[in-house]
Amino acid sequence: KQEVTQIPAALSVPEGENLVLNCSFTDSAIYNLQWFRQDPGKGLTSLLLIQSSQREQTSGRLNASLDKSSGRSTLYIAASQPGDSATYLCAVLNSGYSTLTFGKGTMLLVSP
Amino acid sequence: GAGVSQSPSNKVTEKGKDVELRCDPISGHTALYWYRQSLGQGLEFLIYFQGNSAPDKSGLPSDRFSAERTGGSVSTLTIQRTQQEDSAVYLCASSLPRGQGDNSPLHFGNGTRLTVT
Repeated sequence: KQEVTQIPAALSVPEGENLVLNCSFTDSAIYNLQWFRQDPGKGLTSLLLIQSSQREQTSGRLNASLDKSSGRSTLYIAASQPGDSATYLCAVLNSGYSTLTFGKGTMLLVSP
Repeated sequence: GAGVSQSPSNKVTEKGKDVELRCDPISGHTALYWYRQSLGQGLEFLIYFQGNSAPDKSGLPSDRFSAERTGGSVSTLTIQRTQQEDSAVYLCASSLPRGQGDNSPLHFGNGTRLTVT
């Protein structure tokens, strides 16, 4: 059974800092990995999707990497802003499963 | 519509009552998912619909929970004889068909916050 772990559970940084969120998974036989953002009281917004054959994806100030063999992904946020404050979730799609397995998320607070 | 729509956004009900939660997916998305998010917990998979195939119900926590999807579009999640532990945010998501959708992101609605008193 796939298990997804996110570290740290919470992170507080001053505006402007670059930061890294970590995700690890136990079963490396994945189709893809997705990073989501969740604002309080809202649903999830997809940020980046990395296919199993890819090493990284970039969107604006966000860069996600994938190392399938070691079961790890990182989400890099450059020049953080207060608007980046949210919970960030990592999820993987495995062969043999119908749907994504989610981590519990990292709650990020960026202070002005 | 432009996104996944869920209703109601909030529902307060008394223990023992039945509730119905509705999800209207993005047009053209034949894959539809229900998840539950409890305070301090990760997202818990409930049920998955793909086109006309039999749904994957492996995540439903008890037989009090059921879901249907009419006409391959709108879905309703029903919880019978609600219990306090059913209190959570129920999230619906949709995506392109699985054959095409393995590398297509899930699009989530804003969820229904269910409170059982």
